[in-house]
Amino acid sequence: SQQGEEDPQALSIQEGENATMNCSYKTSINNLQWYRQNSGRGLVHLILIRSNEREKHSGRLRVTLDTSKKSSSLLITASRAADTASYFCATEGISNYQLIWGAGTKLIIKP
Amino acid sequence: DARVTQTPRHKVTEMGQEVTMRCQPILGHNTVFWYRQTMMQGLELLAYFRNRAPLDDSGMPKDRFSAEMPDATLATLKIQPSEPRDSAVYFCASGVGTGDTGELFFGEGSRLTVL
Repeated sequence: SQQGEEDPQALSIQEGENATMNCSYKTSINNLQWYRQNSGRGLVHLILIRSNEREKHSGRLRVTLDTSKKSSSLLITASRAADTASYFCATEGISNYQLIWGAGTKLIIKP
Repeated sequence: DARVTQTPRHKVTEMGQEVTMRCQPILGHNTVFWYRQTMMQGLELLAYFRNRAPLDDSGMPKDRFSAEMPDATLATLKIQPSEPRDSAVYFCASGVGTGDTGELFFGEGSRLTVL
């Protein structure tokens, strides 16, 4: 079952621009994670933000979490061609070890 | 460089044949997940192990799928008999589950095509 819903489904921007992806979920969570998947490859963990955190940074990545709105955003600044990939959010519920995955946002960075 | 290793990377088989996919989790990880990814359904959880014990396989078609961890270095997913609708990419992921699930490390996947 999918809890996270990414928005937009697809995003195409010019290299150097910022890319913002959003994730909404339905139930209370322990944490929310973002992963990247390059075409034909496995998923790679990017960042984990806990329910008591509001913002987290990792290099060019900035993640925010608004538990009142049950939403998160992933911002990639100064995008590069290598950022072209699908990005997934995954939520871990309070009483459930399972990660519930969204359908992903396909990001294309045009050179 | 620690990584999750999956074999085979690609498998083409005829309907009705048995398929076995293998996964070597990262040494020291105590949780193992099997996922199936398709365009239509996205990522679906098939099975979950913690300390080699199966804790959840509710997402797995029990009549044809089975998942085991014979030891800490090997997890297997078996389909018998395979059907065309099983065509998908199967991912194994491992993690250090202390309390919550935390970060998962994924293998490169096994792409299965059932004709």
